[in-house]
Amino acid sequence: GQQVMQIPQYQHVQEGEDFTTYCNSSTTLSNIQWYKQRPGGHPVFLIQLVKSGEVKKQKRLTFQFGEAKKNSSLHITATQTTDVGTYFCAGRVDYKLSFGAGTTVTVRA
Amino acid sequence: DTAVSQTPKYLVTQMGNDKSIKCEQNLGHDTMYWYKQDSKKFLKIMFSYNNKELIINETVPNRFSPKSPDKAHLNLHINSLELGDSAVYFCASSLASGATYEQYFGPGTRLTVT
Repeated sequence: GQQVMQIPQYQHVQEGEDFTTYCNSSTTLSNIQWYKQRPGGHPVFLIQLVKSGEVKKQKRLTFQFGEAKKNSSLHITATQTTDVGTYFCAGRVDYKLSFGAGTTVTVRA
Repeated sequence: DTAVSQTPKYLVTQMGNDKSIKCEQNLGHDTMYWYKQDSKKFLKIMFSYNNKELIINETVPNRFSPKSPDKAHLNLHINSLELGDSAVYFCASSLASGATYEQYFGPGTRLTVT
């Protein structure tokens, strides 16, 4: 079954607002990766986190890896229409990437 | 210069037919993958090859047969297509295996079985 859980499944955001998507695993992960898939497109790698408590920023995106390395989050500030898409987290489980179900983000202008 | 390319982009076929999808990467990566993305966008790994050797073979019907003629190419052949095979199939590659390297995805092949 699915070993990396992601919530929420859908996020409807007003342009300019902030939102967060969460990723959880029942087991400790050695790393977590985040991908973005635009509508009709393919997943594109955003970032990888490997250290406990690690925080990385990419412009308006902030990625965190939990202290216990069982959860991660992606926080987007001042959402723009270009943020539309599905965001996937993926953790290493049994030497392969296990993807979460994704958070599909829509933006109201 | 496309890093990971797949052909065809769209494939519409009838139940019972056999079809193939081709993938090529020009990144010099050692590891290639096939993923299936269903209508709910869930991404599930099907197969992975490292330098032409099969290293991941998930619970996939044996109607699906991957083939890697060299480390830059990974093809997927599907026999006796069924309605449930309708999905988007993504090829991906990474520098090496072990799920610690970023994966580069191809544009996808949307397979529709009628």
